[in-house]
Amino acid sequence: QVQLVESGGGVVQSGRSLRLSCAASGFSFSRYGMHWVRQAPGKGLEWVAGISYDGYRSYYTDSVRGRFVISRDNSKNTLYLQMTSLRGEDTALYYCAKDPSSASSRPDRFDYWGQGTLATVSS
Amino acid sequence: SSVLTQPPSVSVAPGEAARITCRGDNFGGERVHWYRQKPGQAPVLVIHSDSDRPSGIPERFSGSNSGNTATLTISRVEAGDEADYFCQVWDRNDDRVVFGGGTALTVL
Repeated sequence: QVQLVESGGGVVQSGRSLRLSCAASGFSFSRYGMHWVRQAPGKGLEWVAGISYDGYRSYYTDSVRGRFVISRDNSKNTLYLQMTSLRGEDTALYYCAKDPSSASSRPDRFDYWGQGTLATVSS
Repeated sequence: SSVLTQPPSVSVAPGEAARITCRGDNFGGERVHWYRQKPGQAPVLVIHSDSDRPSGIPERFSGSNSGNTATLTISRVEAGDEADYFCQVWDRNDDRVVFGGGTALTVL
């Protein structure tokens, strides 16, 4: 069965960096786009970034563009999110999510989600 | 760029139908997807591509999309359907995913 396990969250000071990881199993990781979606405490869902199956195309929400970088290592079945210049408003539970769209398609939706890893940015 | 507007809350009695709307200023023909999120859990896809149900989702869940409004309908609502529901599209003009603000469904 599909499993997505996030790690790397923690408490970090404002302005510092954090790298999140998502270990995938149970499906052909290299065939599907992947995304990060976050949820601030008590708030709704906010898409953060997405990456194509081959890693050549990436997409970002405006508030993180230039500060966050999404990447993947298909040989390790792992998705990453490098977060720099962190701010208080980046405090959230970060979910890794799989996109079922085929390799040649643009991003679409999320059919599997991990349980999330919490990143807390303190001032 | 797309903005998706959902009512903050919907309340319904058990056995009745719940309808949750998602109004977009510019769907632009994009397909709408719906997620259910129960407290302390990750979201689950319940409707994709406007009206398709993933495997394992009960037939009580259905979706529609007409004009600038998409609707998630849950028929014969049960206590276990209490959750937050979010709509989502891919905004092809800005190359980004957009979520609605979410609707808290309360079963009276």
